[in-house]
Amino acid sequence: DTGVSQDPRHKITKRGQNVTFRCDPISEHNRLYWYRQTLGQGPEFLTYFQNEAQLEKSRLLSDRFSAERPKGSFSTLEIQRTEQGDSAMYLCASSFPGGTDNTQYFGPGTRLTVL
Amino acid sequence: AQSVTQLGSHVSVSEGALVLLRCNYSSSVPPYLFWYVQYPNQGLQLLLKYTSAATLVKGINGFEAEFKKSETSFHLTKPSAHMSDAAEYFCAVSGPFGNEKLTFGTGTRLTIIP
Repeated sequence: DTGVSQDPRHKITKRGQNVTFRCDPISEHNRLYWYRQTLGQGPEFLTYFQNEAQLEKSRLLSDRFSAERPKGSFSTLEIQRTEQGDSAMYLCASSFPGGTDNTQYFGPGTRLTVL
Repeated sequence: AQSVTQLGSHVSVSEGALVLLRCNYSSSVPPYLFWYVQYPNQGLQLLLKYTSAATLVKGINGFEAEFKKSETSFHLTKPSAHMSDAAEYFCAVSGPFGNEKLTFGTGTRLTIIP
């Protein structure tokens, strides 16, 4: 088991461009979460999936943000028309609620810089 | 609604001294409580978690935390600080089953003085 992986690790883009991030959870983890962490703050919840179903979305997730988990395995987070305020670390986590350990395990994050 | 307050955004201790990082929570349901550590430019690693099984929870790297319902606190301690403990520490709450979204505090940056 290689843990949660995220790609890319760093992304620099210009304001107005679209970006997409990928998260691969720990195998057999059926729950996947996205969080956003701005400088000097704790992570803030964005959304989560149970298998392929998106069960909850934060009000932080504006219309420019969309997340998918089409086959219940990896997930993508897309930001359209990026703004400078979108600059942050985007963290993915996965868990297996039905098991003995329902801990959320985090990936290394994708750091987005919007110029 | 749930929330976490971490008192002290920066804490400095001498190597070998006691580490105490404070966390107070608010929750309308029985909480699950977590401490995570984050090293620069990395994701979060779980230190320990409270799941109602025992009020004193032991975690990795010599850390432990005590759940005090009357004080709504879950402070993190380590008897003797090591240089490798320098990092950002986050307290988080979820509930009522422990597998819901996490609500984090703003974090405490721990500096170890040689």
